[in-house]
Amino acid sequence: GENVEQHPSTLSVQEGDSAVIKCTYSDSASNYFPWYKQELGKRPQLIIDIRSNVGEKKDQRIAVTLNKTAKHFSLHITETQPEDSAVYFCAASMGGGATNKLIFGTGTLLAVQP
Amino acid sequence: GAGVSQSPSNKVTEKGKDVELRCDPISGHTALYWYRQSLGQGLEFLIYFQGNSAPDKSGLPSDRFSAERTGGSVSTLTIQRTQQEDSAVYLCASSFAGDTYEQYFGPGTRLTVT
Repeated sequence: GENVEQHPSTLSVQEGDSAVIKCTYSDSASNYFPWYKQELGKRPQLIIDIRSNVGEKKDQRIAVTLNKTAKHFSLHITETQPEDSAVYFCAASMGGGATNKLIFGTGTLLAVQP
Repeated sequence: GAGVSQSPSNKVTEKGKDVELRCDPISGHTALYWYRQSLGQGLEFLIYFQGNSAPDKSGLPSDRFSAERTGGSVSTLTIQRTQQEDSAVYLCASSFAGDTYEQYFGPGTRLTVT
């Protein structure tokens, strides 16, 4: 079946450094790629998303890049802060717009050391 | 406005008993999703409702799991004859149909099967 792979599973960085999380997907019809942040004991919340008609999108310290040919996309966090510590999930839409279904990656636990 | 709500927030049940978990989506959202999240794990897709279409049940792990969505709004996830491996947080999410895929998550129900 369709799947999304996410790496690394854990990532530890020093405060102020950059963090990069990478995902690959299998459904060539996927056209929407969101990233969710889940703090400990909280619900996942959308932090940024990208659609297949753009290659990069930025929102302050976070950015997402998309390579449709290679079927991979990445989350970049610059100038990391302790409050960025959380689990991050990537996802890809299924069915090329025929459904709203998302397939999620397995998550990356990001720890920002002060 | 009100977000996605779920009840109960915590449920402890004995092995073999049936449980019902409830989800109230955001008003106007036609798509509703159930996920399961085991401790430290990712988001496992269970079932997806979209308007009046037949639900996508492809993620249900066994025939002990079922879900309904009445009147296009509230949904109930039922687990029959619970097993210890069913212990997890069950998350519900809702979204608009069409191009906007952002899923809004509820706070989850933590199910513990003893």
